[in-house]
Amino acid sequence: DAGVIQSPRHEVTEMGQEVTLRCKPISGHNSLFWYRQTMMRGLELLIYFNNNVPIDDSGMPEDRFSAKMPNASFSTLKIQPSEPRDSAVYFCASSHPIRGSRLPGANVLTFGAGSRLTVL
Amino acid sequence: GNSVTQMEGPVTLSEEAFLTINCTYTATGYPSLFWYVQYPGEGLQLLLKATKADDKGSNKGFEATYRKETTSFHLEKGSVQVSDSAVYFCALTVEPQHTGTASKLTFGTGTRLQVTL
Repeated sequence: DAGVIQSPRHEVTEMGQEVTLRCKPISGHNSLFWYRQTMMRGLELLIYFNNNVPIDDSGMPEDRFSAKMPNASFSTLKIQPSEPRDSAVYFCASSHPIRGSRLPGANVLTFGAGSRLTVL
Repeated sequence: GNSVTQMEGPVTLSEEAFLTINCTYTATGYPSLFWYVQYPGEGLQLLLKATKADDKGSNKGFEATYRKETTSFHLEKGSVQVSDSAVYFCALTVEPQHTGTASKLTFGTGTRLQVTL
């Protein structure tokens, strides 16, 4: 398996532009997570989906941020309009179905390599 | 709510030194505990986990024991190598509300480890 695939790996854009980050989870995984990482705030959970349905989006910072998961193999995180303070590394992660939370593979996240966003 | 507190970094050690990175937590219910590692330029990857009190997770020479009485999950390694230089994250999750679905992980702020020759 190729793992969790994110694109683009690097994005440099100007303030006010729309940014779309993409994620392909591991096949068979039914949970998908978007995280943001900055030096100041560390790792923050933005939103997560179970079976393509958003479960918790309380970490989405503002209405400028939106996330979709139209099918089990694809998700997007969109920022419109972008601002310099959105500069960060955005990670997507997925995990596989669990029958019991105590099983060895339960709740183990596989992360993508991240998308580094710079907003000028 | 759930939270994880890790020791401040960076931690700088000489090769073959003993490593301890402290982690304590607060949680509602009975959490599972994790250590993830992030190497430069990469995403996080699972290092080890423990799902119930007194369990010991271990991998690549690293160990951590789930201590319910002290709400701790300290990471240890007897002899670090330069290749262990990375950022280490402690994390927890509690029982999901619905079976067959994952619940979110709560991460600590990360502790940077630098190992020198």
